[in-house]
Amino acid sequence: QITLKESGPTLVKPTQTLTLTCTFSGFSLSTPGVGVGWIRQPPGKALEWLALTYWDDDKRYSPSLNSRLTITKDTYKNHVVLTMTNMDPVDTATYYCAHIPSVNTYFDYWGQGTLVTVSS
Amino acid sequence: DIQMTQSPSSLSASVGDRVTITCRASQSIITYLNWYQQKPGKAPELLIYPTSNLHSGVPSRFSGSGSGTDFTLTISGLQPEDFATYYCQQSYSTPVTFGQGTKVEIK
Repeated sequence: QITLKESGPTLVKPTQTLTLTCTFSGFSLSTPGVGVGWIRQPPGKALEWLALTYWDDDKRYSPSLNSRLTITKDTYKNHVVLTMTNMDPVDTATYYCAHIPSVNTYFDYWGQGTLVTVSS
Repeated sequence: DIQMTQSPSSLSASVGDRVTITCRASQSIITYLNWYQQKPGKAPELLIYPTSNLHSGVPSRFSGSGSGTDFTLTISGLQPEDFATYYCQQSYSTPVTFGQGTKVEIK
């Protein structure tokens, strides 16, 4: 049974750095083909992909946010960390992490999401 | 980036109706198209990958088809639990991109 859960601050101030952790179980990030991705959703808006990391440490980022994002994985601790620098109120959103079962990058299991509000 | 455009943005339908949602890619994505369902306050759930394979536990009234740039999600016999927002997503290349969503509401 695959489960994922996001954790991190619910409120950050503008210009601060956001650090989110995705803790998962039921799979290993050392299994070929497997990955974890981050997706966000501003209130009332559509889904936006942010970043992903695969089992082989291949990392991909949204071009529009590339300079602000870093994704890292800890295979032994079963977690993936996303950092986003220079937060702005427009980054207010629910942030999800999700399991990627193969190099055909779709998301078959999702965490419950965590709402991050950016406000002074 | 590959742009994904869904139509319609919203629709009203009755229980038992057949509903079709369209997703168009800005370039060919072969068959690398996935569909998700999202209910209010919940995380999205995978329905179909890629193009026509039902994810585990998804009822058979959901089906997907298409290739190249044009894809459809069909719900044959809408049920009360199907009222939700549906998103398409291309997995042909990164950056991964989603459609803007189609909200299915009760008529």
